[in-house]
Amino acid sequence: GENVEQHPSTLSVQEGDSAVIKCTYSDSASNYFPWYKQELGKRPQLIIDIRSNVGEKKDQRIAVTLNKTAKHFSLHITETQPEDSAVYFCAAETRPNTGNQFYFGTGTSLTVIP
Amino acid sequence: ETGVTQSPTHLIKTRGQQVTLRCSSQSGHNTVSWYQQALGQGPQFIFQYYREEENGRGNFPPRFSGLQFPNYSSELNVNALELDDSALYLCASTLRNGATYEQYFGPGTRLTVT
Repeated sequence: GENVEQHPSTLSVQEGDSAVIKCTYSDSASNYFPWYKQELGKRPQLIIDIRSNVGEKKDQRIAVTLNKTAKHFSLHITETQPEDSAVYFCAAETRPNTGNQFYFGTGTSLTVIP
Repeated sequence: ETGVTQSPTHLIKTRGQQVTLRCSSQSGHNTVSWYQQALGQGPQFIFQYYREEENGRGNFPPRFSGLQFPNYSSELNVNALELDDSALYLCASTLRNGATYEQYFGPGTRLTVT
């Protein structure tokens, strides 16, 4: 099955700096890669996603890159703000014959220091 | 906030008992996935239902079962509860139409097994 690894597990940055979170996956059949933000006590919320036929996607201060050959994808947050502090999860969707499956990374706790 | 709701919010059960958790999908969404999120971990995929049929399953034993109803609400049933089943259980709904679309998570049900 798929194995998604995420690092770092914790990340502290100064307000205004950039933050980068990286994930690797093992199943070359995975074709959809969303990123979620989860604030304490709240539900995960989709912040950006990318499909396997795209190498990069950007939405304001957030961007995701995908390298299918190397099987890794990254989240980039620029001009960080204190409200960006949360746990971020990457995920990969694969579709074996038995149906769709989603695999999440273990999360990165991001702290933006004012 | 998403249109996905879950009930109950919190639940305490004794080892060996059975539990049913409920999810109401966002209007028009035909796909629901269930996840188990242990404290400090990423969500673990339990299974997915599409048009009332199981459409993918993660590495969970058969005592985890589900149902999806014609109105796209769904249930997660867990039999013979174990202490390790204590976790936040999340459902997520999706409108699937030929390709993967983003998942909208519910607020979760916090299950404690004593």
